[in-house]
Amino acid sequence: KAGVTQTPRYLIKTRGQQVTLSCSPISGHRSVSWYQQTPGQGLQFLFEYFSETQRNKGNFPGRFSGRQFSNSRSEMNVSTLELGDSALYLCASSLDMTGELFFGEGSRLTVL
Amino acid sequence: KNEVEQSPQNLTAQEGEFITINCSYSVGISALHWLQQHPGGGIVSLFMLSSGKKKHGRLIATINIQEKHSSLHITASHPRDSAVYICAVRGAQKLVFGQGTRLTINP
Repeated sequence: KAGVTQTPRYLIKTRGQQVTLSCSPISGHRSVSWYQQTPGQGLQFLFEYFSETQRNKGNFPGRFSGRQFSNSRSEMNVSTLELGDSALYLCASSLDMTGELFFGEGSRLTVL
Repeated sequence: KNEVEQSPQNLTAQEGEFITINCSYSVGISALHWLQQHPGGGIVSLFMLSSGKKKHGRLIATINIQEKHSSLHITASHPRDSAVYICAVRGAQKLVFGQGTRLTINP
């Protein structure tokens, strides 16, 4: 059974650009959640999707957005990138919103 | 004060020692997760608990809902257990993470 796949694994952007990250969950999983990890703040919750609907959102500015498609694949977008957005972005999938989490390897974003 | 506090932040031990990592939280939760992160970033879920105790191999996790406290124990520790261990609690709206415990097991 394939795990959670995140693409791209690494990317470099400059301030002001925007970026889209993709997450393909484990087959059959309907919940996808996104997290930001930085050395200073640790892991922080971004948002959670279930059945194409955003169910919960963390304390991040509106520049951070996401969506989930009918096949449960999810994307997150960060617009007008800032230096502080440099981080490891992780997604996790689960059968439903209360189940065990399975994490992808992450997308490491560097903003110059 | 953080909603989730882990202790210790760093722990170095010799191979074979019994390890305990603690997690205290201040909010009502529906579940608590213990996660393991190796260098390079990948995170693996070790346990998901809502009550009692779970065991998987050399790892044991316990939770006391009344005291809002959980512990992760590693018996017969091994250098491959070296990693960051993260406690996360599922509250009403979201998952909240502890700062992690960096464990180093020396041979």
